[in-house]
Amino acid sequence: EAGVVQSPRYKIIEKKQPVAFWCNPISGHNTLYWYLQNLGQGPELLIRYENEEAVDDSQLPKDRFSAERLKGVDSTLKIQPAELGDSAVYLCASSSLTGTEAFFGQGTRLTVV
Amino acid sequence: GQNIDQPTEMTATEGAIVQINCTYQTSGFNGLFWYQQHAGEAPTFLSYNVLDGLEEKGRFSSFLSRSKGYSYLLLKELQMKDSASYLCAVRGGGATNKLIFGTGTLLAVQP
Repeated sequence: EAGVVQSPRYKIIEKKQPVAFWCNPISGHNTLYWYLQNLGQGPELLIRYENEEAVDDSQLPKDRFSAERLKGVDSTLKIQPAELGDSAVYLCASSSLTGTEAFFGQGTRLTVV
Repeated sequence: GQNIDQPTEMTATEGAIVQINCTYQTSGFNGLFWYQQHAGEAPTFLSYNVLDGLEEKGRFSSFLSRSKGYSYLLLKELQMKDSASYLCAVRGGGATNKLIFGTGTLLAVQP
């Protein structure tokens, strides 16, 4: 069974440019998470989806970040415009039922210069 | 609010036993997870506790006390490959049913 797939693995952009990350969760997983992880820190939740509904986006900086999960499967996280402080690893995770473990993708390492 | 605390770093010797502690304060509780994360890689699931007590899985065991808001991860017969960051995560309950992570404990296993 394929795991959570994210692309790209690495992205380098100049500040003020837009960037998008893509995530394909494990087949059949209804819950999808986007996390941000800075070096030496734990993952910080940005947004959580149950099917196509964003049920928790309280930590998402909505002035520049947006996300969507059309048809309740793949998801895209966008930053526009990117700032230097957005440099981090963006992790996508999915789970089948609330209360069970989440499985993580390899992440996208974003560098804003 | 939600808060998860764990030590920043620990060092242990190959073949020994190490215990990594985690304390938490959350709005509701629906399970505690331990993940392992090697440098540059994604977190991988190690254990899940929702009831009080000890869960054993090979060399790794995890303990939970809900009344104390406390958990630990026990690693036995340490190997060099166990050098990694260990993340404690709590799933809140009710309206805040989301998975929150601690900052992680960086474990260095020495020969």
